Amino acid sequence: SQQGEEDPQALSIQEGENATMNCSYKTSINNLQWYRQNSGRGLVHLILIRSNEREKHSGRLRVTLDTSKKSSSLLITASRAADTASYFCATDLLPRGVNRDDKIIFGKGTRLHILP
Amino acid sequence: NAGVMQNPRHLVRRRGQEARLRCSPMKGHSHVYWYRQLPEEGLKFMVYLQKENIIDESGMPKERFSAEFPKEGPSILRIQQVVRGDSAAYFCASSEGFGTDTQYFGPGTRLTVL
Repeated sequence: SQQGEEDPQALSIQEGENATMNCSYKTSINNLQWYRQNSGRGLVHLILIRSNEREKHSGRLRVTLDTSKKSSSLLITASRAADTASYFCATDLLPRGVNRDDKIIFGKGTRLHILP
Repeated sequence: NAGVMQNPRHLVRRRGQEARLRCSPMKGHSHVYWYRQLPEEGLKFMVYLQKENIIDESGMPKERFSAEFPKEGPSILRIQQVVRGDSAAYFCASSEGFGTDTQYFGPGTRLTVL
């Protein structure tokens, strides 16, 4: 199965500061995606970065990818209270090949708490 | 402990027909989530259900789509009068609890509308 391991497990920062979360994975990937989950809600897709990309921006989000280290980072700049959530990374969710039957498991995520 | 099961794995429908996608959560899990994924895009949340209850359907199109998770049996995602734009991979995930509990995903159902 593909699995992302997020680090740190929990992070508390003051509103306005930047938050950085990391993700490591084990196998070669086609792409890596970051998701946010607010308590009691489904996952919300944030950003996708392909294996041939090194950095990608979307609003206040910046994602980097280092395939040689099998790691990615998510940076949220100028954090807001609404950014309080859990953040997960995931890899290669579209099965490649009709017989692929992986069980896809997200890591435990990083719980981000923005303090007022 | 078997993982999340989805069937069928591949489904082909003609425009106007109905598509029924099934999801059996992991044993002991009572929370089910449905997601849709277009090629080279991320998952898009559709609906979150507990047994016999729809908790959050904010991602579900207002028309033609419905979901249920009965007391007995699998969760069903039903798409009526399918159109070409419904062609996608539909993933189901289950979790033991709610909120930020780890979600375990099934292998997906690839729907093709001709």
